[in-house]
Amino acid sequence: KQEVTQIPAALSVPEGENLVLNCSFTDSAIYNLQWFRQDPGKGLTSLLLIQSSQREQTSGRLNASLDKSSGRSTLYIAASQPGDSATYLCAAPNTGNQFYFGTGTSLTVIP
Amino acid sequence: ETGVTQSPTHLIKTRGQQVTLRCSSQSGHNTVSWYQQALGQGPQFIFQYYREEENGRGNFPPRFSGLQFPNYSSELNVNALELDDSALYLCASSLAGSGGQETQYFGPGTRLLVL
Repeated sequence: KQEVTQIPAALSVPEGENLVLNCSFTDSAIYNLQWFRQDPGKGLTSLLLIQSSQREQTSGRLNASLDKSSGRSTLYIAASQPGDSATYLCAAPNTGNQFYFGTGTSLTVIP
Repeated sequence: ETGVTQSPTHLIKTRGQQVTLRCSSQSGHNTVSWYQQALGQGPQFIFQYYREEENGRGNFPPRFSGLQFPNYSSELNVNALELDDSALYLCASSLAGSGGQETQYFGPGTRLLVL
């Protein structure tokens, strides 16, 4: 069974800083890895999907990397803004596209 | 293109009761997955439906059951509610057939409180 771990559990940074969120997974036989954002009490918003054949995916100030051999992915957020405050979840699917989630990193960006 | 919708948004039940949650998948999607998210935790996979058939199940007891309809909308039913069933229930839709490379799109969730 896939197990996904996210470090740190919580992170507080001043506005404008660059930051990295970490995700590790135990089963490297994944088709893709997806990063989501969740605002308090809300559903999940997809941020980036990295295919297993890719090493990086970028969207605006976000950059996600994937290293299948080491079972790791990182989400890099450049020039953080207060609006980036949310919980960030990574998820790795099994062969049936059934996602296993980490417990998330709660990010607070201080103005 | 409409997004994933869920109803109701909030629900309060008492122990032992039964509940039905509903999900309308994104237009053109044929797969629906349900997840349970307890407070402070990541979502846990409950089950998935593909073309009206169950297509995988997580570690949840049989009192969690589901349906998918011909229009690909779905229901999650929970019988004999327990206090620990209190959670945010999320459904996600996707289009299967892309070799497992499809994105899942999540609805806003139904928050269930069991008293």
